[in-house]
Amino acid sequence: EVQLVESGGGLVKPGGSLRLSCAASGLTFSRYDMNWVRQAPGKGLEWVSYISSASNYIYYADSVKGRFTISRDNSKNSLYLQMNSLRAEDTAVYYCTRLPLTGPIGGLDSWGQGTLVTVSS
Amino acid sequence: DIHLTQSPSFLSASIGDRVTITCRASQVISNYLAWYQQKPGKAPRLLISAASTLQVGVPSRFSGSRSGTEFTLTIGSLRPEDFATYYCQQLNNFPYTFGQGTKLEIK
Repeated sequence: EVQLVESGGGLVKPGGSLRLSCAASGLTFSRYDMNWVRQAPGKGLEWVSYISSASNYIYYADSVKGRFTISRDNSKNSLYLQMNSLRAEDTAVYYCTRLPLTGPIGGLDSWGQGTLVTVSS
Repeated sequence: DIHLTQSPSFLSASIGDRVTITCRASQVISNYLAWYQQKPGKAPRLLISAASTLQVGVPSRFSGSRSGTEFTLTIGSLRPEDFATYYCQQLNNFPYTFGQGTKLEIK
């Protein structure tokens, strides 16, 4: 069974930094492209970032470009999101998600339980 | 960016009703459209990919279709566990945008 477990969320002041992690198990992590998706309290889903299996392709939403950095360590079966210059509008639950081997036409087929990031003074 | 217009935003229906949710894309996205179900406090769950491919374990009362840039999610006969929020997402181009969601409530 595929498991994606996020960690690293918490309360941070505006302008601060936080690093989220996602530990993957039950899959050959190195074969899968991964994404981060977030959801502000009471709001809809927002795609944040994508990283290919070998880290050679990376994309960001405009709202986080230049502030967030996605990365992965396939030897540790882990995905990361380094978040800098945090703003109140970055407050959200952050989900680690997987694209299947069929690629994006297969949708985001596995999701973690999410980790809450709160940006507030 | 590709914009997805999901309608309605709120839907009130009864057990046994047939309901349809629509998602219109601002550009051609082929079949790169997925539907998700989300219950309060839970992560979204993928229901349908490639516009009409039902995921393993998803009940057959759920179906998806495409006509050009208009996509529909249909629930054939509502059950109590279907009351949730539904989102469409396009994965044809980055950024992978979502529709704004449809909250399905019990009448």
